[in-house]
Amino acid sequence: DGGITQSPKYLFRKEGQNVTLSCEQNLNHDAMYWYRQDPGQGLRLIYYSQIVNDFQKGDIAEGYSVSREKKESFPLTVTSAQKNPTAFYLCASSITGLRFSGELFFGEGSRLTVL
Amino acid sequence: AQTVTQSQPEMSVQEAETVTLSCTYDTSESDYYLFWYKQPPSRQMILVIRQEAYKQQNATENRFSVNFQKAAKSFSLKISDSQLGDAAMYFCAYRRGNYGGSQGNLIFGKGTKLSVKP
Repeated sequence: DGGITQSPKYLFRKEGQNVTLSCEQNLNHDAMYWYRQDPGQGLRLIYYSQIVNDFQKGDIAEGYSVSREKKESFPLTVTSAQKNPTAFYLCASSITGLRFSGELFFGEGSRLTVL
Repeated sequence: AQTVTQSQPEMSVQEAETVTLSCTYDTSESDYYLFWYKQPPSRQMILVIRQEAYKQQNATENRFSVNFQKAAKSFSLKISDSQLGDAAMYFCAYRRGNYGGSQGNLIFGKGTKLSVKP
């Protein structure tokens, strides 16, 4: 079945360590997104990519990095520079261009806890 | 900058009853889209309903309908005949109409947690 797969589902990290969250999609979507979800804060955009080898910062990109070497993959690295990394991370994808109506397709999320 | 406000952090409804979730937004644009997304306890968010700002007719999807008041910048979601499976976080979202660059990204409200009582 087509969809978005995020891994791992749960991740624990010590302070000062970088960690990479995986996001893979087989929907043949050009655009991919990373959102951060905190209780009472809704979803905030970290990074997005509309095409391979290109990505843009969202509203809260500091302390995060991404790559888009393949259309299917958009990994997110949470670096030690991120001051409050404990959160729920959601990856999403969409089509682009004139047919894009705004519908995003989401993965099941990854919960990162910094010990 | 556009903002989306959901003023009800939590709501509760009896099974088979009707509930309305509120959403207001702020924008100076005339062309945009509005959405309601559902995030059940399993965490995978799905699109519930979508409304184009240029359409005066309110969108409906089975038991879900919206009350879109463009002048008031209000976009409420009505769930009729509520079912236990409707229990979830509901997010209202906004997107500018002319896609391109960051304009294609969605702006989400903080969400409303809906509980359904049997």
